[in-house]
Amino acid sequence: QKEVEQNSGPLSVPEGAIASLNCTYSDRGSQSFFWYRQYSGKSPELIMFIYSNGDKEDGRFTAQLNKASQYVSLLIRDSQPSDSATYLCAVGRYGSSNTGKLIFGQGTTLQVKP
Amino acid sequence: DAGVIQSPRHEVTEMGQEVTLRCKPISGHDYLFWYRQTMMRGLELLIYFNNNVPIDDSGMPEDRFSAKMPNASFSTLKIQPSEPRDSAVYFCASSLGSSSGNTIYFGEGSWLTVV
Repeated sequence: QKEVEQNSGPLSVPEGAIASLNCTYSDRGSQSFFWYRQYSGKSPELIMFIYSNGDKEDGRFTAQLNKASQYVSLLIRDSQPSDSATYLCAVGRYGSSNTGKLIFGQGTTLQVKP
Repeated sequence: DAGVIQSPRHEVTEMGQEVTLRCKPISGHDYLFWYRQTMMRGLELLIYFNNNVPIDDSGMPEDRFSAKMPNASFSTLKIQPSEPRDSAVYFCASSLGSSSGNTIYFGEGSWLTVV
């Protein structure tokens, strides 16, 4: 079992729709959870992070965390063609007060069609 | 603020040659990470440093790989001898642990092709 699992996709949604990206992780001790976006040929860039169970909203993006189910998701509202990219879920052992290694999933490719 | 700077951006080398990748982290950051990305294996952590000290090198694939961080503003990842299966994008990333937790920032990557 991989430490962080994502459906590779591609996930295709029409412009203006909600895109839902999912991620599961195996280490119950994980405390920090991140979503990165990676355009083709570019480096990953941070979209948002979440540490506590529940929802966290930032503009069109909402991260959802359920530690009991070991599940993290990212919702993108009003999807735009510019959102077309690979979305990487990353999980860390430590919380906000410390830094440790992040384990990344394989990524989900999102295609937003005009 | 300058981001993480990596060099070279692209390198094509012959099997058996030594490859050295370089990284300058964001000024003031105390954590430095080396990741490798391939289509098959995704983004894998190779090694990371805290205050120039290697903390976890369990991801280094084999003895052909070595990494150093002689000071807070410079790190190298060396492959000797290189093999075609080492072809990948190598990312350096850095973080300021005390304030941003696990938020790490990536460089633009070094695209390595071993023929």
